[in-house]
Amino acid sequence: GAVVSQHPSRVICKSGTSVKIECRSLDFQATTMFWYRQFPKQSLMLMATSNEGSKATYEQGVEKDKFLINHASLTLSTLTVTSAHPEDSSFYICSARMAGTEAFFGQGTRLTVV
Amino acid sequence: TQLLEQSPQFLSIQEGENLTVYCNSSSVFSSLQWYRQEPGEGPVLLVTVVTGGEVKKLKRLTFQFGDARKDSSLHITAAQPGDTGLYLCAADSSNTGKLIFGQGTTLQVKP
Repeated sequence: GAVVSQHPSRVICKSGTSVKIECRSLDFQATTMFWYRQFPKQSLMLMATSNEGSKATYEQGVEKDKFLINHASLTLSTLTVTSAHPEDSSFYICSARMAGTEAFFGQGTRLTVV
Repeated sequence: TQLLEQSPQFLSIQEGENLTVYCNSSSVFSSLQWYRQEPGEGPVLLVTVVTGGEVKKLKRLTFQFGDARKDSSLHITAAQPGDTGLYLCAADSSNTGKLIFGQGTTLQVKP
């Protein structure tokens, strides 16, 4: 099966700093990647859709200047949480897909802002 | 806005009991997926149902897609502690991979 890898799996940062999370498709080329956010004991909420070589499409209520998404290649998308604050602490999950196939999920990144 | 209503949201049962989780919507979907997620990990796909009325079995798990493709259920027979986790239904109505998730069902199976 297709493998999607996220890095790091856990990160703790100080309030006001920026954090970058990577999402890589290891054995396929992902034309589209998706970023989700999940709070404890809640479901996944789609933040944005990222297509290789173009600007990400953000869901309503998600600040694009706060959550910078870059999809520079067919195997890598990055999510940068800028000027992080404690309320940004969450579990961030990416998924990736080739055209016409299902999406595969990464293992998630636990972000804690102190 | 398309919504997936999942119920129940929490379920705590004894080992050996049966349970059913429901996923309902007013919208029609081309496919619906069920995932299981453990704490600190990403969701893992259990099954995709595509055809109205379809029934799929995965060991003790039975998945059903409604005839009108608006609802689905997950039935677990003789639940075991290893079944504990968060179960999520999700739908991709536009076939773009953009999934809408239900609220999730947290299942706890006590030995």
